[in-house]
Amino acid sequence: SQQGEEDPQALSIQEGENATMNCSYKTSINNLQWYRQNSGRGLVHLILIRSNEREKHSGRLRVTLDTSKKSSSLLITASRAADTASYFCATDSTSNTGKLIFGQGTTLQVKP
Amino acid sequence: DGGITQSPKYLFRKEGQNVTLSCEQNLNHDAMYWYRQDPGQGLRLIYYSQIVNDFQKGDIAEGYSVSREKKESFPLTVTSAQKNPTAFYLCASSWWQYNEQFFGPGTRLTVL
Repeated sequence: SQQGEEDPQALSIQEGENATMNCSYKTSINNLQWYRQNSGRGLVHLILIRSNEREKHSGRLRVTLDTSKKSSSLLITASRAADTASYFCATDSTSNTGKLIFGQGTTLQVKP
Repeated sequence: DGGITQSPKYLFRKEGQNVTLSCEQNLNHDAMYWYRQDPGQGLRLIYYSQIVNDFQKGDIAEGYSVSREKKESFPLTVTSAQKNPTAFYLCASSWWQYNEQFFGPGTRLTVL
């Protein structure tokens, strides 16, 4: 049961540019989280935004949430080659609290 | 050094064999999870456990089994009934009510 869909599937930018990834989901949520995965590694939690929040910042990351459109976006500003990774959104739905449903991810390549 | 560990990193299985993947955490987390990741895909939940001696099936539990005899440990057995077990397996843990998940480094299972 895939809750989230991410767009684009792949993104290639130059170092210093901003990267924007989008996530859409289907059901009401308690929160939405973004994770990062380097190739062949485990996931690392980046940021969590609750359903009553609209925007959240963490360093170079900015996350927005629009519950009316059931969508979220992750913006990475001033990207670096080290940001090259796959990025996943995960939702905690109100009908299935505690279980995260992951999207298929956006693969970001940042060229030096 | 707190964290979540998985072993082995690589595992090869012959047809018809059962294999067990280890997952240990020293974060004092209540909940633990097993996910399967196929190439280019998101994570799919196999099993999860909120407390010791209790666990629930996720979306793709068929052909897998788990136990939760200790808070720190949540081993996953891939049985011969799992027809297509070649994948990357990720273990995670969290405090149940906050559900930001911490991931292990993963085990890559290949069927020969």
